[in-house]
Amino acid sequence: KNEVEQSPQNLTAQEGEFITINCSYSVGISALHWLQQHPGGGIVSLFMLSSGKKKHGRLIATINIQEKHSSLHITASHPRDSAVYICAVRGVYGGATNKLIFGTGTLLAVQP
Amino acid sequence: KAGVTQTPRYLIKTRGQQVTLSCSPISGHRSVSWYQQTPGQGLQFLFEYFSETQRNKGNFPGRFSGRQFSNSRSEMNVSTLELGDSALYLCASSATWADEQYFGPGTRLTVT
Repeated sequence: KNEVEQSPQNLTAQEGEFITINCSYSVGISALHWLQQHPGGGIVSLFMLSSGKKKHGRLIATINIQEKHSSLHITASHPRDSAVYICAVRGVYGGATNKLIFGTGTLLAVQP
Repeated sequence: KAGVTQTPRYLIKTRGQQVTLSCSPISGHRSVSWYQQTPGQGLQFLFEYFSETQRNKGNFPGRFSGRQFSNSRSEMNVSTLELGDSALYLCASSATWADEQYFGPGTRLTVT
Protein backbone atom coordinates (compact mmCIF):
# COMPACT_ATOMS: atom_id res chain seq x y z
CA LYS A 1 0.00 0.00 0.00
CA ASN A 2 1.33 3.44 -0.93
CA GLU A 3 2.08 5.80 1.90
CA VAL A 4 0.15 8.55 0.10
CA GLU A 5 -3.12 7.75 -1.66
CA GLN A 6 -5.09 10.11 -3.83
CA SER A 7 -8.62 9.90 -5.16
CA PRO A 8 -9.96 10.05 -7.70
CA GLN A 9 -7.21 9.16 -10.17
CA ASN A 10 -9.09 10.80 -13.01
CA LEU A 11 -11.74 13.49 -12.88
CA THR A 12 -13.72 15.18 -15.63
CA ALA A 13 -15.79 18.23 -14.77
CA GLN A 14 -17.82 20.86 -16.55
CA GLU A 15 -16.71 24.45 -16.37
CA GLY A 16 -18.06 26.12 -13.24
CA GLU A 17 -18.34 22.96 -11.16
CA PHE A 18 -16.96 22.60 -7.63
CA ILE A 19 -14.15 20.04 -7.55
CA THR A 20 -12.69 18.06 -4.65
CA ILE A 21 -9.54 15.95 -4.72
CA ASN A 22 -8.70 13.84 -1.70
CA CYS A 23 -5.39 12.71 -0.20
CA SER A 24 -4.86 10.19 2.58
CA TYR A 25 -1.49 9.31 4.09
CA SER A 26 -0.27 6.70 6.52
CA VAL A 27 2.93 8.23 7.90
CA GLY A 28 3.62 10.94 10.43
CA ILE A 29 4.16 14.21 8.64
CA SER A 30 5.51 17.67 9.30
CA ALA A 31 3.81 19.22 6.25
CA LEU A 32 1.63 18.38 3.27
CA HIS A 33 1.97 19.93 -0.18
CA TRP A 34 -0.45 20.26 -3.05
CA LEU A 35 1.28 20.55 -6.41
CA GLN A 36 0.02 21.26 -9.91
CA GLN A 37 1.58 19.96 -13.12
CA HIS A 38 0.34 20.92 -16.56
CA PRO A 39 0.98 18.48 -19.43
CA GLY A 40 4.58 18.72 -20.46
CA GLY A 41 5.10 21.41 -17.87
CA GLY A 42 6.93 21.86 -14.65
CA ILE A 43 5.53 21.56 -11.18
CA VAL A 44 4.02 24.49 -9.32
CA SER A 45 3.52 24.42 -5.58
CA LEU A 46 -0.05 25.42 -4.72
CA PHE A 47 -0.08 24.98 -0.95
CA MET A 48 2.06 23.83 1.91
CA LEU A 49 0.10 23.22 5.08
CA SER A 50 0.52 21.51 8.41
CA SER A 51 -2.86 22.30 9.96
CA GLY A 52 -6.22 23.85 9.22
CA LYS A 53 -7.09 25.47 5.94
CA LYS A 54 -5.52 27.74 3.32
CA LYS A 55 -7.10 29.65 0.43
CA HIS A 56 -5.60 31.14 -2.71
CA GLY A 57 -8.15 32.60 -5.09
CA ARG A 58 -10.45 29.78 -6.18
CA LEU A 59 -8.33 27.09 -4.52
CA ILE A 60 -8.84 25.86 -0.96
CA ALA A 61 -6.79 23.23 0.84
CA THR A 62 -7.68 21.63 4.14
CA ILE A 63 -5.93 19.10 6.33
CA ASN A 64 -7.06 16.95 9.25
CA ILE A 65 -3.97 15.74 11.04
CA GLN A 66 -5.84 13.33 13.32
CA GLU A 67 -7.53 11.61 10.37
CA LYS A 68 -4.41 11.87 8.15
CA HIS A 69 -6.45 13.36 5.35
CA SER A 70 -6.33 16.43 3.15
CA SER A 71 -8.59 17.83 0.47
CA LEU A 72 -8.02 20.26 -2.38
CA HIS A 73 -11.09 22.14 -3.55
CA ILE A 74 -11.45 24.17 -6.72
CA THR A 75 -14.42 26.49 -6.88
CA ALA A 76 -15.91 27.72 -10.18
CA SER A 77 -13.60 25.43 -12.17
CA HIS A 78 -12.21 26.62 -15.51
CA PRO A 79 -10.59 24.76 -18.42
CA ARG A 80 -7.23 26.30 -17.47
CA ASP A 81 -7.46 24.30 -14.22
CA SER A 82 -6.95 21.14 -16.31
CA ALA A 83 -3.75 19.59 -14.98
CA VAL A 84 -2.42 16.83 -12.75
CA TYR A 85 -2.77 17.61 -9.06
CA ILE A 86 -0.29 15.88 -6.80
CA CYS A 87 -0.37 15.48 -3.04
CA ALA A 88 3.01 15.13 -1.33
CA VAL A 89 3.92 14.77 2.31
CA ARG A 90 7.07 15.63 4.15
CA GLY A 91 7.53 12.83 6.64
CA VAL A 92 9.09 12.89 10.05
CA TYR A 93 12.22 10.75 10.04
CA GLY A 94 13.79 11.67 13.35
CA GLY A 95 15.55 14.67 11.89
CA ALA A 96 15.21 17.67 9.69
CA THR A 97 14.50 16.65 6.14
CA ASN A 98 12.84 18.00 3.04
CA LYS A 99 12.21 14.56 1.53
CA LEU A 100 8.77 14.41 -0.07
CA ILE A 101 6.64 11.29 -0.61
CA PHE A 102 4.24 11.72 -3.50
CA GLY A 103 0.80 10.47 -4.34
CA THR A 104 0.16 9.19 -7.85
CA GLY A 105 -1.69 12.32 -8.87
CA THR A 106 -5.20 13.19 -10.02
CA LEU A 107 -5.67 14.03 -13.68
CA LEU A 108 -8.31 16.76 -13.91
CA ALA A 109 -9.98 17.76 -17.17
CA VAL A 110 -12.37 20.69 -17.10
CA GLN A 111 -14.53 20.90 -20.18
CA PRO A 112 -15.99 24.20 -21.43
CA LYS B 1 13.77 36.88 -8.25
CA ALA B 2 14.74 34.37 -10.88
CA GLY B 3 13.24 30.94 -10.44
CA VAL B 4 14.97 27.60 -10.22
CA THR B 5 16.89 26.84 -13.39
CA GLN B 6 17.98 23.46 -14.67
CA THR B 7 20.38 22.66 -17.47
CA PRO B 8 20.23 21.11 -19.91
CA ARG B 9 16.49 20.94 -20.53
CA TYR B 10 16.71 17.94 -22.84
CA LEU B 11 19.35 15.28 -23.16
CA ILE B 12 19.74 12.11 -25.18
CA LYS B 13 22.34 9.60 -24.07
CA THR B 14 23.29 6.03 -24.92
CA ARG B 15 23.25 3.10 -22.51
CA GLY B 16 26.48 2.87 -20.56
CA GLN B 17 27.27 6.58 -20.76
CA GLN B 18 27.18 8.94 -17.83
CA VAL B 19 25.36 12.23 -17.46
CA THR B 20 25.57 15.31 -15.24
CA LEU B 21 22.56 17.52 -14.62
CA SER B 22 22.74 20.96 -13.07
CA CYS B 23 20.37 22.92 -10.86
CA SER B 24 20.65 26.56 -9.81
CA PRO B 25 18.33 27.36 -6.89
CA ILE B 26 16.54 30.59 -6.20
CA SER B 27 18.95 33.17 -4.81
CA GLY B 28 19.21 32.79 -1.06
CA HIS B 29 17.87 29.23 -0.99
CA ARG B 30 20.21 26.77 0.63
CA SER B 31 18.18 23.57 0.33
CA VAL B 32 18.07 21.65 -2.95
CA SER B 33 16.19 18.41 -3.53
CA TRP B 34 16.19 16.18 -6.60
CA TYR B 35 13.32 14.05 -7.86
CA GLN B 36 12.81 11.57 -10.69
CA GLN B 37 9.50 11.40 -12.52
CA THR B 38 8.56 8.45 -14.75
CA PRO B 39 5.18 7.34 -16.11
CA GLY B 40 5.43 4.04 -14.25
CA GLN B 41 6.78 5.11 -10.86
CA GLY B 42 5.58 8.69 -10.67
CA LEU B 43 7.62 11.13 -8.63
CA GLN B 44 10.36 9.68 -6.44
CA PHE B 45 12.82 11.38 -4.12
CA LEU B 46 16.49 11.15 -5.08
CA PHE B 47 18.54 13.40 -2.77
CA GLU B 48 18.36 16.38 -0.51
CA TYR B 49 21.19 18.84 0.12
CA PHE B 50 21.51 21.66 2.58
CA SER B 51 24.61 23.82 2.89
CA GLU B 52 26.71 21.37 0.85
CA THR B 53 25.69 18.39 3.00
CA GLN B 54 23.55 15.50 1.81
CA ARG B 55 20.79 15.20 4.40
CA ASN B 56 18.82 12.39 2.86
CA LYS B 57 18.96 9.93 -0.01
CA GLY B 58 16.19 7.99 -1.71
CA ASN B 59 16.16 4.32 -2.68
CA PHE B 60 18.22 4.55 -5.83
CA PRO B 61 21.35 2.59 -6.78
CA GLY B 62 24.81 3.97 -6.22
CA ARG B 63 24.98 4.98 -9.89
CA PHE B 64 23.01 8.04 -8.84
CA SER B 65 25.07 10.62 -6.99
CA GLY B 66 24.95 14.30 -6.33
CA ARG B 67 26.64 17.22 -4.71
CA GLN B 68 26.04 20.80 -3.72
CA PHE B 69 28.49 23.66 -4.06
CA SER B 70 29.16 26.56 -1.73
CA ASN B 71 26.93 28.82 -3.87
CA SER B 72 24.06 26.29 -3.35
CA ARG B 73 24.10 25.16 -6.97
CA SER B 74 23.71 21.43 -7.20
CA GLU B 75 24.60 18.71 -9.68
CA MET B 76 23.47 15.15 -9.98
CA ASN B 77 25.33 12.47 -11.85
CA VAL B 78 24.13 9.18 -13.24
CA SER B 79 26.80 6.73 -14.32
CA THR B 80 26.45 3.67 -16.53
CA LEU B 81 23.08 4.77 -17.86
CA GLU B 82 20.30 2.22 -18.29
CA LEU B 83 17.16 2.46 -20.42
CA GLY B 84 15.11 2.71 -17.23
CA ASP B 85 16.87 5.93 -16.28
CA SER B 86 14.88 7.74 -18.97
CA ALA B 87 12.83 10.23 -16.98
CA LEU B 88 12.15 13.83 -16.12
CA TYR B 89 14.60 14.93 -13.43
CA LEU B 90 13.36 17.78 -11.30
CA CYS B 91 15.10 19.82 -8.70
CA ALA B 92 13.44 22.01 -6.13
CA SER B 93 14.86 24.64 -3.84
CA SER B 94 13.74 26.12 -0.56
CA ALA B 95 15.19 28.56 1.92
CA THR B 96 15.55 25.85 4.57
CA TRP B 97 14.48 22.24 4.87
CA ALA B 98 11.16 23.29 6.45
CA ASP B 99 10.08 25.81 3.82
CA GLU B 100 7.98 25.52 0.68
CA GLN B 101 9.80 24.01 -2.28
CA TYR B 102 9.99 25.72 -5.67
CA PHE B 103 10.47 23.41 -8.61
CA GLY B 104 12.59 23.89 -11.69
CA PRO B 105 11.34 23.04 -15.20
CA GLY B 106 13.17 19.73 -15.20
CA THR B 107 15.66 17.97 -17.44
CA ARG B 108 14.15 15.39 -19.78
CA LEU B 109 16.69 12.54 -20.12
CA THR B 110 16.24 9.92 -22.81
CA VAL B 111 18.51 6.88 -22.78
CA THR B 112 18.69 4.89 -26.02
